[in-house]
Amino acid sequence: RKEVEQDPGPFNVPEGATVAFNCTYSNSASQSFFWYRQDCRKEPKLLMSVYSSGNEDGRFTAQLNRASQYISLLIRDSKLSDSATYLCVVRNSGNTPLVFGKGTRLSVIA
Amino acid sequence: DTGVSQDPRHKITKRGQNVTFRCDPISEHNRLYWYRQTLGQGPEFLTYFQNEAQLEKSRLLSDRFSAERPKGSFSTLEIQRTEQGDSAMYLCAIQETQYFGPGTRLLVL
Repeated sequence: RKEVEQDPGPFNVPEGATVAFNCTYSNSASQSFFWYRQDCRKEPKLLMSVYSSGNEDGRFTAQLNRASQYISLLIRDSKLSDSATYLCVVRNSGNTPLVFGKGTRLSVIA
Repeated sequence: DTGVSQDPRHKITKRGQNVTFRCDPISEHNRLYWYRQTLGQGPEFLTYFQNEAQLEKSRLLSDRFSAERPKGSFSTLEIQRTEQGDSAMYLCAIQETQYFGPGTRLLVL
């Protein structure tokens, strides 16, 4: 079993739609959680950290459920520019390496 | 600007050749990480340094791979006797800022 698992996608949604990505992680000791965005043939870029209390950044909302070992990302009012691969990432402790999911590809269609 | 540069950005080589990649953080950072990303997968950890000390290597890092960070600033990743399975994007990251460099895309023919 992979340490971080994500919806396989791809997700094809119209502009303005709300889309949700789900992710589960296997290591209950994981301490830090993130969503990264990766455009085609580019490096991953940090989109947002994920906190137990949930956090929001504009149209993006991230949630963490430690009991279920589940992370989610909600994108409201999708824009064409949101088209990318979204990577669910955990870090087990301190400055240990990041562990990535395979990513979920999103295409927002006009 | 992510604060991390990588060179070269692209490398095409023939199977069996050696290649070396370089990662340059713009400012000083204690921890430097190398990851590899193949098509359709997320990045996978290879190795990391704290200053010049190599603290951890993943099982992905076979004997053909070696990494150095001689002065605790830039780092190099060398692959000897390349194989087609080495084709991937090699990413360098600075943990404190969680910034990745633009990557070196390797194609082994």
